[in-house]
Amino acid sequence: SQKIEQNSEALNIQEGKTATLTCNYTNYSPAYLQWYRQDPGRGPVFLLLIRENEKEKRKERLKVTFDTTLKQSLFHITASQPADSATYLCALDGDKFYFGSGTKLNVKP
Amino acid sequence: ETGVTQTPRHLVMGMTNKKSLKCEQHLGHNAMYWYKQSAKKPLELMFVYNFKEQTENNSVPSRFSPECPNSSHLFLHLHTLQPEDSALYLCASSLNGGTAPTNEQFFGPGTRLTVL
Repeated sequence: SQKIEQNSEALNIQEGKTATLTCNYTNYSPAYLQWYRQDPGRGPVFLLLIRENEKEKRKERLKVTFDTTLKQSLFHITASQPADSATYLCALDGDKFYFGSGTKLNVKP
Repeated sequence: ETGVTQTPRHLVMGMTNKKSLKCEQHLGHNAMYWYKQSAKKPLELMFVYNFKEQTENNSVPSRFSPECPNSSHLFLHLHTLQPEDSALYLCASSLNGGTAPTNEQFFGPGTRLTVL
């Protein structure tokens, strides 16, 4: 089965810096990968989708990369703000749809 | 609001109770999903419905029984649950589905279930 690893430790950064979150996977070659944001007590919210033939995708302050050789996706938030504080989940298709456990981001003013 | 609503938001039930969770989407999507989210664990996909037909059941115990009467409504019927079933149950929808959705999923706020 698919295994997805996201850093379980919270990432603490200062406002204005770039946050970089990692998603590593094994056992499959997904056709695409998605990133979601989840706030406490709420359902995840879709942010970005990147396909296997895309190296990089951007949306406003967000950037996602997808390295199928390393089996890794990086999620960047530039000029981070306290409002970006949340848990970020990656998800991909394998024999079924899998989510990672998420990484909690804390942006301090 | 995401366009996906879930009721109730909180539910406490005993192991011998029967209860149902309800999900409704107002987005015109054709696929709906049930997920379980336990503390410190990844979201677990439970069931997938595409055009009202169940296309996936990820080895979920029979004490969880889904029902999809139409593309806008999804239910999860609960019967003789165990304390380890306590979790946040999330409903989601997407434009198209199947085993591997290629479109973004829209999630509801979830039902926080506690089994005593």
